Amino acid sequence: DTAVSQTPKYLVTQMGNDKSIKCEQNLGHDTMYWYKQDSKKFLKIMFSYNNKELIINETVPNRFSPKSPDKAHLNLHINSLELGDSAVYFCASSQVSAGNTEAFFGQGTRLTVV
Amino acid sequence: AQSVTQPDIHITVSEGASLELRCNYSYGATPYLFWYVQSPGQGLQLLLKYFSGDTLVQGIKGFEAEFKRSQSSFNLRKPSVHWSDAAEYFCAVGAGAGNNRKLIWGLGTSLAVNP
Repeated sequence: DTAVSQTPKYLVTQMGNDKSIKCEQNLGHDTMYWYKQDSKKFLKIMFSYNNKELIINETVPNRFSPKSPDKAHLNLHINSLELGDSAVYFCASSQVSAGNTEAFFGQGTRLTVV
Repeated sequence: AQSVTQPDIHITVSEGASLELRCNYSYGATPYLFWYVQSPGQGLQLLLKYFSGDTLVQGIKGFEAEFKRSQSSFNLRKPSVHWSDAAEYFCAVGAGAGNNRKLIWGLGTSLAVNP
């Protein structure tokens, strides 16, 4: 009964490859997020989608392309992976229409680019 | 600009000792405040939150936090720490309006617990 689930949990890939991370939430929330957590544990918001519409797009290289096929899913595709993309990527969801920024997180995807 | 400061990067306490993790925020309106915990290799779990009302809020795992508007603080406390509390702790403030809501995060405090 996982509320926010991401796949895969671990991803090891070579520089230059293209990879995707998938996220699904079964909480009925209207907003989903992607965060990047670097080696120093700093959490940086990358994107947010509200009812499939891109709302927040922080300063992220355009090699990163989020896609939200419906409000329960938010995928992250990364082109031409670089060493600096190695991090843990977290998906989260919130019900912002209730004025609520409380976020529910997935378990994270540890991406290692070699 | 909105911001969250966690002054202590790393704290070590002995098991059974009391704990206080500091959090200061900068936000123009009445803040929504959160504490999350991240155990090694895990995602972030909500410990507690403050929206309004009683300024002392109780959370899971025996944690509590007190909102002090005059000090712009939301410090996390636990009277007796257990070894399993060793983790990374993040303070956050809710920001934005309408659909543009997000959390502004502190840099985290890493807690180590000595046996």
